[in-house]
Amino acid sequence: QKEVEQDPGPLSVPEGAIVSLNCTYSNSAFQYFMWYRQYSRKGPELLMYTYSSGNKEDGRFTAQVDKSSKYISLFIRDSQPSDSATYLCAMIRGRDDKIIFGKGTRLHILP
Amino acid sequence: GAVVSQHPSWVICKSGTSVKIECRSLDFQATTMFWYRQFPKQSLMLMATSNEGSKATYEQGVEKDKFLINHASLTLSTLTVTSAHPEDSSFYICSARGLAGTAGETQYFGPGTRLLVL
Repeated sequence: QKEVEQDPGPLSVPEGAIVSLNCTYSNSAFQYFMWYRQYSRKGPELLMYTYSSGNKEDGRFTAQVDKSSKYISLFIRDSQPSDSATYLCAMIRGRDDKIIFGKGTRLHILP
Repeated sequence: GAVVSQHPSWVICKSGTSVKIECRSLDFQATTMFWYRQFPKQSLMLMATSNEGSKATYEQGVEKDKFLINHASLTLSTLTVTSAHPEDSSFYICSARGLAGTAGETQYFGPGTRLLVL
């Protein structure tokens, strides 16, 4: 079983819809959880960073962590064509640990 | 936010040649830099971690003699792919971590270098 599982998609949704992206993980030692956005042929860009369980909101983005279920989510409200990208979940065990990435989900927002 | 640059952004080379990729942290000092490789539709795979002034730590399965990493200063790391072969064709991404904060907060990624070996 891989440490981090993420459906690669692609996921296509109409503009304005709410997008839900998810990852599951197997190692209960993970404490810090991130979501990155990666446009084609570019490096990843940090979108959301959370510690432990709970919700965090930043503009149209909400990150949710459920450590009891080992499940994390990213919600995008009022999706825009410019949100079309690959979204990578990532997590780390300790403050200085290496980042473990999911495979990424390719998202297409249809105008 | 902090900026990490890479040069070149893309390179095409003949099989058997060596290619050097530079990674710079432009507005912060990075004690630790990371090199990742990403194949199409795959995730980022960590190749090695380097600390300024010391030898790099390579992940299992990564040949240290083939992928030479030098971290000569707090703002510059280089990756040299020696005797490149077509199977080395990939997207190479560097990342730099700042001096304070957790890894998730202060690790910034470069724009990547696309390598094509003919």
